[in-house]
Formats: sequence, C-alpha cells, structure tokens
Amino acid sequence: DGGITQSPKYLFRKEGQNVTLSCEQNLNHDAMYWYRQDPGQGLRLIYYSQIVNDFQKGDIAEGYSVSREKKESFPLTVTSAQKNPTAFYLCASRPTGNEKLFFGSGTQLSVL
Amino acid sequence: QKEVEQNSGPLSVPEGAIASLNCTYSDRGSQSFFWYRQYSGKSPELIMFIYSNGDKEDGRFTAQLNKASQYVSLLIRDSQPSDSATYLCAVESRRTGGFKTIFGAGTRLFVKA
Repeated sequence: DGGITQSPKYLFRKEGQNVTLSCEQNLNHDAMYWYRQDPGQGLRLIYYSQIVNDFQKGDIAEGYSVSREKKESFPLTVTSAQKNPTAFYLCASRPTGNEKLFFGSGTQLSVL
Repeated sequence: QKEVEQNSGPLSVPEGAIASLNCTYSDRGSQSFFWYRQYSGKSPELIMFIYSNGDKEDGRFTAQLNKASQYVSLLIRDSQPSDSATYLCAVESRRTGGFKTIFGAGTRLFVKA
C-alpha cells in the first residue's frame, strides 16, 4: 500500500544528543514537509522540500537539519542546539502544489 | 500578527446543531485553503479544501472563502459526537522553493450528546 512511514513512533533524547527522525514515502510525491506540534497547538513548519537536493527553512528551523538525497526520503535531525525538542513531529508529502497534504503517523519525541 | 489565526475554543455545541469554525489569514497571495480534522494523538485528515471565493459543500460540511476579507470558515451541519476533535485551518502560498502550507493553532470542538 502507498503511504508515508515515520519511525520510530516514540523517541527519547538525552541532553546534548542529536537524534534523527525517519520519513519515507512511496507515493512518488515531489514535495515533503516536516511539522512540529506542541500539546494543544497547531502545526508549525520546520523544513520543506520541493525536489531532491533542495530544501527550504520553515518558520522554526533553528536547531533542526534535513536532507533530501532521495525523492522517497526526508529525514529530520533534531540537534543538541534545539533546547526544547519535546513535541509531536509530523512528516507530510504532496504530489504538487494546490493539493492536500498526506501525513505520516507521527513521532513523539521526549527528553530524558 | 500570526499568518493564520483561529479561535482556540473550545467550541461546544449540542448534537444536531450547526458548528461554525472561523479562520483569518494575513498573506493576500494565498491560493489554497484547507480544513483538517485531528483527533488527539493522531495525524490530521483532510475535511475540505477551497480555492475560489464563495461556498463549497460536501455532505454535512460547507467551506466558505472570502479572499477580500482574508477569511475562511467551516460549517458542520447536524453535528455528531464523533465530530468532536480539533479543526485545523491551513493556508497555502507559493514561495521560492515550493508551496508552503501554514496551519492555524486549531479550534477544539466538543459536540454534546
């Protein structure tokens, strides 16, 4: 079945540690997105990518990094510079603009 | 000013009533408008999308767009307890490097049986 797979479902980070969240899609979508959601809040855009080897900062990119080496994959690294990383992270994709976003099931990141 | 603003609620309506959810946006160049429903701990799911001024109906849901007023709304008729969720307004604009979708903070809706 086509879809977006995020892993892991739950992730714990120690102080000063970098962690990477995986996002893979087999929908052949060009555009991919990372959002962060805090409890009771909406989604805030971290990074987005329209094509392979190109990505743009969203509204809250500080402390995060991404890569887009393959069309299917858009991993997000939460670096030690992100001082408050605890949140629900959602990856999304879409075939082109003006279309709905397809979401993964999310990764809950917590700090130990 | 936030790019997309919604009343956080909670909005409480009795079963069978009409629920009205509102959203304003700041970017006049915005092209596409979406309403997503999100249950606690789950991913958002698309309810409605609208591109042109006016109303768009789909079953119990009606989306309304007024670009001059930079306003978009969602009406839910015959509200059911299963409609209780957070409703996210999303606005899309074309930017360098692709299409950027910005979400509002969401409105929590409670439908009382």
